[in-house]
Amino acid sequence: GENVEQHPSTLSVQEGDSAVIKCTYSDSASNYFPWYKQELGKGPQLIIDIRSNVGEKKDQRIAVTLNKTAKHFSLHITETQPEDSAVYFCAARWDKIIFGKGTRLHILP
Amino acid sequence: KAGVTQTPRYLIKTRGQQVTLSCSPISGHRSVSWYQQTPGQGLQFLFEYFSETQRNKGNFPGRFSGRQFSNSRSEMNVSTLELGDSALYLCASSLTVTSGTGELFFGEGSRLTVL
Repeated sequence: GENVEQHPSTLSVQEGDSAVIKCTYSDSASNYFPWYKQELGKGPQLIIDIRSNVGEKKDQRIAVTLNKTAKHFSLHITETQPEDSAVYFCAARWDKIIFGKGTRLHILP
Repeated sequence: KAGVTQTPRYLIKTRGQQVTLSCSPISGHRSVSWYQQTPGQGLQFLFEYFSETQRNKGNFPGRFSGRQFSNSRSEMNVSTLELGDSALYLCASSLTVTSGTGELFFGEGSRLTVL
């Protein structure tokens, strides 16, 4: 069935360092992979997405890479800042959007 | 432009009761999806509605149901509440169905506690 695995569940990095979150998906029929950020007390918000015909996409300090052969995609955040502390969800779309279980990112001062 | 509005924000129920949650999507959005968020399971898909029709349903028991009205507002209902139903219930709207292009816009959720 349709499934998205996300790792790690918790990640702590020093402010200014990079953070990487990895996801795998079960069914190669998926063609759209969004990432959402959820801050405390709020609903998730889209921060970046990638489609299956693209291998990498960047938006300032955030980048996403996709390896369709391996059914694997990753979120990279460079030069982390305190406001990057949040829960991040990867997702894949089939006839519906399925989310991973989330990664709680802590930025340490 | 107003965002997705969910009511109530917080509620406490006891086992065996039923609950109805409401979601008003962004104006012009016709698709509404519901997700259950718990600490251990992340965001689990409940169902999606588009133009008053249920398009998809997740792996939840029949106690979980929903509907969408002609103005795109949606409600979900959980009957015979169990302790394990305690969760944050998130509603998301989008312009088109989620199998097409388009971003999901989430509300802040309804936090249900079952005692």
